[in-house]
Amino acid sequence: SAVISQKPSRDICQRGTSLTIQCQVDSQVTMMFWYRQQPGQSLTLIATANQGSEATYESGFVIDKFPISRPNLTFSTLTVSNMSPEDSSIYLCSANRESTEAFFGQGTRLTVV
Amino acid sequence: GENVEQHPSTLSVQEGDSAVIKCTYSDSASNYFPWYKQELGKGPQLIIDIRSNVGEKKDQRIAVTLNKTAKHFSLHITETQPEDSAVYFCAGLGAGSYQLTFGKGTKLSVIP
Repeated sequence: SAVISQKPSRDICQRGTSLTIQCQVDSQVTMMFWYRQQPGQSLTLIATANQGSEATYESGFVIDKFPISRPNLTFSTLTVSNMSPEDSSIYLCSANRESTEAFFGQGTRLTVV
Repeated sequence: GENVEQHPSTLSVQEGDSAVIKCTYSDSASNYFPWYKQELGKGPQLIIDIRSNVGEKKDQRIAVTLNKTAKHFSLHITETQPEDSAVYFCAGLGAGSYQLTFGKGTKLSVIP
């Protein structure tokens, strides 16, 4: 299995500001993903973080709002830009290798006030 | 794309009893079905998975069964313990895809 470290684990932010979430994997992985999870809800895929190129976003998510970087095979960041209270959620990083088993970080609990 | 339905949304069992959570999927080409356990304040943890070339897989008190004809798979937890209380998610992976599609989750409560 892969160990995925996410930080910060939680944050309270003012509306209109931006927060960058970091995801570090302890070994090289093929794929990295970012999810959003509303309280009591399932996981919604935001985007696939592509190494060395622009992320692939799912319907309803755009790069200007959620810019993503993946400079190498073990690290990615997600920025939540120009935040509003509706962005309050848990953001999760996920990674998997060729074998397709996907592992998750512990999540970042974001509250926008 | 793949669609995964999960039932029930909540489940309460007495400690020591068995718990069963069921999922159906829509894409007959899907070939990988993991189950995740999410405890409060934590990320989802992979607990067991099954691939389309087998019908059942066991790991101690946990088992998963797959019926490809009916396109459904189930999680079975025997001899439940209070620490089994969590939200469980099933997921499916379509052929040629790396993106999992998740069910809506089942909140399992094990009553001591």
